[in-house]
Amino acid sequence: EVQLVESGGGLVKPGGSLRLSCAASGFTFSSYNMNWVRQAPGKGLEWVSSMITSTYIHYADSVRGRFTISRDNSKNSLYLQMNNLRAEDTGVYYCARDGSSSTHLASWGQGILVTVSS
Amino acid sequence: QSALTQPASVSGSPGQSITISCAGTSSDVGGYNYVSWYQQHPGKAPKVMIYDVSNRPAGVSNRFSGSKSGNTASLTISGLQAEDEADYYCCSYTSSSSFYVFGTGTKVTVL
Repeated sequence: EVQLVESGGGLVKPGGSLRLSCAASGFTFSSYNMNWVRQAPGKGLEWVSSMITSTYIHYADSVRGRFTISRDNSKNSLYLQMNNLRAEDTGVYYCARDGSSSTHLASWGQGILVTVSS
Repeated sequence: QSALTQPASVSGSPGQSITISCAGTSSDVGGYNYVSWYQQHPGKAPKVMIYDVSNRPAGVSNRFSGSKSGNTASLTISGLQAEDEADYYCCSYTSSSSFYVFGTGTKVTVL
């Protein structure tokens, strides 16, 4: 069974940093594209970042230059380093795995809350 | 990259069919067959219901179906049931500076 478990969320002041982690199990982690998606309180889903390969990485305009996605295949883990955080970055952050032969978000973690507030 | 456009809400009675639209552009919905749909119940993680425009993952009811015409994709739920009451989001691969783009979301209410 595919399992994705996020951690590292919490309360941080504007301008601060936070590193999210996503522990994966139940599949060959190194074989899949991985993603981060977020959802502000009471709002819709917003794609944040995708890691296809170590050099084929994409970011939403709203986080480019401030967030960095990375992975450690030896630890079956995905990361999101978030710097210079803003109030509008507040929300639940989901780790999601692509489909095996298709471009879609096939499996999701339970999400982790990030709150940016003074 | 602007969000794909969905109606804010759609409602129907049990047993009826409803359709949710998802309007994009030739750079996303219209240009690729990588449209997917997600169901999200309150406080829960999203769940994929349709991928590649019209494919259903294993375990998803065949009451859910997807289609696309031009720059607009659609999700149809037939035989509406109380458990279908949730938020639904479309999503597409995009050739813009992003990779994925989500729709604005539709709240489905079962009357």
